[in-house]
Amino acid sequence: GQQLNQSPQSMFIQEGEDVSMNCTSSSIFNTWLWYKQDPGEGPVLLIALYKAGELTSNGRLTAQFGITRKDSFLNISASIPSDVGIYFCAGQLGQGAQKLVFGQGTRLTINP
Amino acid sequence: GAVVSQHPSRVICKSGTSVKIECRSLDFQATTMFWYRQFPKQSLMLMATSNEGSKATYEQGVEKDKFLINHASLTLSTLTVTSAHPEDSSFYICSGRTSNQPQHFGDGTRLSIL
Repeated sequence: GQQLNQSPQSMFIQEGEDVSMNCTSSSIFNTWLWYKQDPGEGPVLLIALYKAGELTSNGRLTAQFGITRKDSFLNISASIPSDVGIYFCAGQLGQGAQKLVFGQGTRLTINP
Repeated sequence: GAVVSQHPSRVICKSGTSVKIECRSLDFQATTMFWYRQFPKQSLMLMATSNEGSKATYEQGVEKDKFLINHASLTLSTLTVTSAHPEDSSFYICSGRTSNQPQHFGDGTRLSIL
């Protein structure tokens, strides 16, 4: 089945630094989603991308839908302690398709 | 908007009992709900997809008689883990979506079987 390769698996950064993570796939997706999961909670939607080449921001977060539709990246600028958590990318094949394919997650740790 | 409530948040029970987990969409009608299982330090693993009023579609390897799913209304789906055993202990998460909208997740249920 489809798989998403998400990297890096973990990041250890200083507060204030910028963060970049990405997902790649061998399959084409029509929608890319980025979620954040805090310990013991469900994932929270950060950004949804629907068009190839689309660049979308949500506060300090910016995500792009790759032009080939096989990749996406998420950037976090000027990290703060509450950015700590696990970030997941997810791909959806099409509007009619319902299932998501998830990446393995990127665990972000921030040193104050 | 797009709030999904999951209950209970944590349950501990004895081996052999059945456990029911509820998933409710509070401010939207979820035409489709999904149930996931997540092991520590791993990604979400889809168990089944349920559409309101229809039988759930289970992923390969998921026992439908073990994990009973009911999606009786556009705002409620339930997952019942029947005759639970320690190996069923996990973090179960539901999500809901309406047409052309992303999935929104509940806060998960930590199930511990003694």
